[in-house]
Amino acid sequence: AQRVTQPEKLLSVFKGAPVELKCNYSYSGSPELFWYVQYSRQRLQLLLRHISRESIKGFTADLNKGETSFHLKKPFAQEEDSAMYYCAPLWLDGNNRLAFGKGNQVVVIP
Amino acid sequence: NAGVTQTPKFQVLKTGQSMTLQCAQDMNHEYMSWYRQDPGMGLRLIHYSVGAGITDQGEVPNGYNVSRSTTEDFPLRLLSAAPSQTSVYFCASSQDSFNQPQHFGDGTRLSIL
Repeated sequence: AQRVTQPEKLLSVFKGAPVELKCNYSYSGSPELFWYVQYSRQRLQLLLRHISRESIKGFTADLNKGETSFHLKKPFAQEEDSAMYYCAPLWLDGNNRLAFGKGNQVVVIP
Repeated sequence: NAGVTQTPKFQVLKTGQSMTLQCAQDMNHEYMSWYRQDPGMGLRLIHYSVGAGITDQGEVPNGYNVSRSTTEDFPLRLLSAAPSQTSVYFCASSQDSFNQPQHFGDGTRLSIL
């Protein structure tokens, strides 16, 4: 069955420390992969997608097909990174639906 | 552009009541979706539409109806509200596929007593 897992509900890091949000998926094919973010009092919005291979707000995400993972990383966390982060695979199985993980709450401690 | 507009922002219903959550977008997007967000569950897809006149079920469609008579509007109807439908509901739109960035509304916080 198709599944996306974000194992850590809450991640607290100190400002300046590295942050890594884990995302694993189970899927027989190769999904498109996205990270969405929701800052306090703002709308949920796209952070980055794996096909773009770009860094957004210092965040990068590498697709590891062997480990079926798409972890989100930032070397130096900032206070403005405090937010809810969702890993979202797009299952390319005919239905082409976007699934969302349960989310990671990130709190950056000053 | 207002983007995606959801109304109301808050609503309290009694069990058994019906209501419609409104969603409108002014970006001429073909795809529109409804999600519910519950603690510890993330976002789950309720219904979606790939264009006017076309709708399909998502992951958790039971108890909800949708229609897409225009490109702009995608209302979500609760037929007979149940406490299990207490949630935050998000509407989203994208240009022509789920592969495009999803634009979300502010959400509707719904409580069923």
